[in-house]
Amino acid sequence: TQLLEQSPQFLSIQEGENLTVYCNSSSVFSSLQWYRQEPGEGPVLLVTVVTGGEVKKLKRLTFQFGDARKDSSLHITAAQPGDTGLYLCAGAGDKIIFGKGTRLHILP
Amino acid sequence: GAGVSQSPSNKVTEKGKDVELRCDPISGHTALYWYRQSLGQGLEFLIYFQGNSAPDKSGLPSDRFSAERTGGSVSTLTIQRTQQEDSAVYLCASSVGHPLGGYTFGSGTRLTVV
Repeated sequence: TQLLEQSPQFLSIQEGENLTVYCNSSSVFSSLQWYRQEPGEGPVLLVTVVTGGEVKKLKRLTFQFGDARKDSSLHITAAQPGDTGLYLCAGAGDKIIFGKGTRLHILP
Repeated sequence: GAGVSQSPSNKVTEKGKDVELRCDPISGHTALYWYRQSLGQGLEFLIYFQGNSAPDKSGLPSDRFSAERTGGSVSTLTIQRTQQEDSAVYLCASSVGHPLGGYTFGSGTRLTVV
C-alpha cells in the first residue's frame, strides 16, 4: 500500500518567518502534487513536479521533488497570514493518493 | 461550467436515511473522482470514473455506498442507511484524462448524520 507521510502535522509561526514542510514515502511516484485547502473549500492545486530533483518556484513558495521521486518539500519564505491553510501533498500513480496534510497558521 | 460544482453544500440527515450527493464536473473532463475527508484525516479515495470504462470502486467503504455517472458528465454518490461514521466532507474532482497533472476539486458537500 502506498502511503504519504507529511510533517509536521501542525505549524504555527509568526509572519515573516521561513518554514519547510515535508512529504515522504517509500514508494516512487510518476508525479507529486501540492494543494492548499482553505476552510469550506476544496483543495486547490499549487504545483505538479514530475522529474527527480526538480525545483519549482511559485512566488515565495519553493517546491522540490526528491531525486528518487519518493519525497518532496515545500519551503515558504517570509510567510504571510494569507499562507494560512491546510497543505496537502499527493502522489500520482494509477490514481492519486493524499497525505494527511500540514495545517499551517501564520500569526500576524 | 467554469469549475466543479457540488450540491448540496451542506446536508444534515437522520441516521438510517439515504442521501444523494451530486457532482457536476468541468465540461470536457473525462475523469471524475470522489473522495471523503474526515476531521484530521487526509483525503480518502472512494471511486473513480474514466470515460466509458468500468469505474474503479476499490475505495468504497461498504455496500451502502454507490455512485453512478450519467452520460459521462454528472455523477451522483448515494449513501444508503446512513451511519454517524459517514459524517464527513465529500469532495468531487475532475481531470482531463490521467490525473498526472492534478485535479480540480469542487467545494465539497459537508454531510452530518445525527
